[in-house]
Parts: sequence; C-alpha cells; structure tokens
Amino acid sequence: ELKVEQNPLFLSMQEEKNYTIYCNYSTTSDRLYWYRQDPGKSLESLFVLLSNGAVKQEGRLMASLDTKARLSTLHITAAVHDLSATYFCAVDYGGSNYKLTFGKGTLLTVNP
Amino acid sequence: SQTIHQWPATLVQPVGSPLSLECTVEGTSNPNLYWYRQAAGRGLQLLFYSVGIGQISSEVPQNLSASRPQDRQFILSSKKLLLSDSGFYLCAWNTGGPGIHEQYFGPGTRLTVT
Repeated sequence: ELKVEQNPLFLSMQEEKNYTIYCNYSTTSDRLYWYRQDPGKSLESLFVLLSNGAVKQEGRLMASLDTKARLSTLHITAAVHDLSATYFCAVDYGGSNYKLTFGKGTLLTVNP
Repeated sequence: SQTIHQWPATLVQPVGSPLSLECTVEGTSNPNLYWYRQAAGRGLQLLFYSVGIGQISSEVPQNLSASRPQDRQFILSSKKLLLSDSGFYLCAWNTGGPGIHEQYFGPGTRLTVT
C-alpha cells in the first residue's frame, strides 16, 4: 500500500524560530511535491522535487528530497505569521493514471 | 497559460436533493482530471479521476458519480445528497506521459448539505 506520512500534523510555532516538517513515504519515488493551503482556499504549488538530493528554496521555506531514505523535509527559517497555513506533501509513484498520493497535511500556526 | 475553473463557488443544498459541480480547464488538451473532497479540518480524499473523455475511475464507493463529456470538462454529480457529502470539493488537473505530474488545483466549491 502506498503511504505518505507527514509529521507533525499540528505545529504551533513562535515567530523568528526555525522548524521542520517531515514527509516519509513508503515506496520508491524520485518525484515529490509540496503544496500550501490557506484557510478556506485551494491548494497552491510550492515546490517540485525531482531527484535525490534536490533542494528548493523560496523565502523562508526550503524543501529537500532524500530518495534513499524516502524522506522529504520542509524547513522553515525564522517563522513569520504569514506562513500560517496547512502544508501538504504529495508523492508521484509513477502509475499510469498519474495520481499523486497526498499526506494528511501539517497545520502550521505562527504565534507572536 | 492554463487555468482551471470550478462552479459554483459555494452551494447550500438540502438532504436528498441532486448535485452537479462543474470543472473546466483552459489552455491545455487531454489533461488528466481529478475530483477531491476535503472535510473540515481534514486531508484530501480522491473521489474520481479521468485520463480521457468518457474514462472515469472511482476511488471510493459512495453516492457520487463523475462524468467527462468533453476533453476539458469534468462533472461531479449526485442524485440524492447526504449530510456526509458536505465539504470542500476540489478539481485538479495534470498532464500524463514522462516527466512532471504536478497537479494544479481549481478554486474549489464549498458544499453544505442541510
């Protein structure tokens, strides 16, 4: 069974501190995607990671992929309030239907 | 550029009434199309997907159905809504073949069944 596990599922952060969200997946893949969802809104794409060792950064967010460990991390540097959202990782297992398998999401709240 | 539309944006329907949600994609041809449901505070549940006109696959048996009458149109329907059908319905698309299969999401339809 294809599984994608995110942890933590809930993360209460203090401003200006650093945090990491983990995304573990069950079967070999070298394509992983991170999405952000603001409350009441749809999902928007954050990062596309396509190979072992891939690292992408935008602003205070940095995502990386270790295909051997089947692990992706989303690192938040110096959290600010506007990063409060739910973050999903999704794994492309390469099926002919081109589906993605999503994690349950991490609800991230930044407190002053 | 590609865009994806969903309507209506919000809907309040009584239990037992029918449902029709529409999703259309512009700027691409032969997209793969997906319907997801998200209950309040929960993750995404894949309901249906389609890799071509008239080709529908169901992920979860329930009282919903989907159709794809045109290449870039995906419709989610129900003959009789249940309270448990309430949620945020998201349509998404991607392209097939080798390479990136990143999904792009529409703005969503928020359905409340009363």
